[in-house]
Amino acid sequence: AQSVTQLDSQVPVFEEAPVELRCNYSSSVSVYLFWYVQYPNQGLQLLLKYLSGSTLVKGINGFEAEFNKSQTSFHLRKPSVHISDTAEYFCAVSEMDSSYKLIFGSGTRLLVRP
Amino acid sequence: ETGVTQSPTHLIKTRGQQVTLRCSSQSGHNTVSWYQQALGQGPQFIFQYYREEENGRGNFPPRFSGLQFPNYSSELNVNALELDDSALYLCASSLSLNRINYGYTFGSGTRLTVV
Repeated sequence: AQSVTQLDSQVPVFEEAPVELRCNYSSSVSVYLFWYVQYPNQGLQLLLKYLSGSTLVKGINGFEAEFNKSQTSFHLRKPSVHISDTAEYFCAVSEMDSSYKLIFGSGTRLLVRP
Repeated sequence: ETGVTQSPTHLIKTRGQQVTLRCSSQSGHNTVSWYQQALGQGPQFIFQYYREEENGRGNFPPRFSGLQFPNYSSELNVNALELDDSALYLCASSLSLNRINYGYTFGSGTRLTVV
């Protein structure tokens, strides 16, 4: 069965510093990969997605992620964070041969400090 | 283009009651999914509808049921509410063509509290 692991429940970082949020997945078939952001009391907003092609994916708000098939990882990075990036970040996978349901990780809270 | 809208935004129900949550899909999307997000956790897949038929279900009991209408709007019904049903319920719509899913757009959710 597919699963998603986000090992870091919370990542504190100072403003303008770089950040990496880790995501590992397990699946027996090919997958699509996603990162979503959730601000307090709101739904999920898509940051970026990997469907095929280049393994380096660029998303909104300066975020990017790299798909590593051999390590089954899809880590999210940003070279310089802002206070407004403080939010909960969810990694998700969707198997290509199923109903395309999303399986989410438990989330990582990014806390940006001034 | 309009996004995904959900109603109501907040709801308080008593244990044992029934509840209906509503979702209006993004224009042009033919697939709708529902997720339950308990406090401090990631969303859990409940079920998905494609062209008015359920085509996938997560590990939720039958008292969780749904409908998708011809205009691709959707309802989530939960019978015999339990305290553990308290959560944020998220609706997501997407476009699926030729077994390719082009990604989900989520609504802001309905916060259900069962007392």
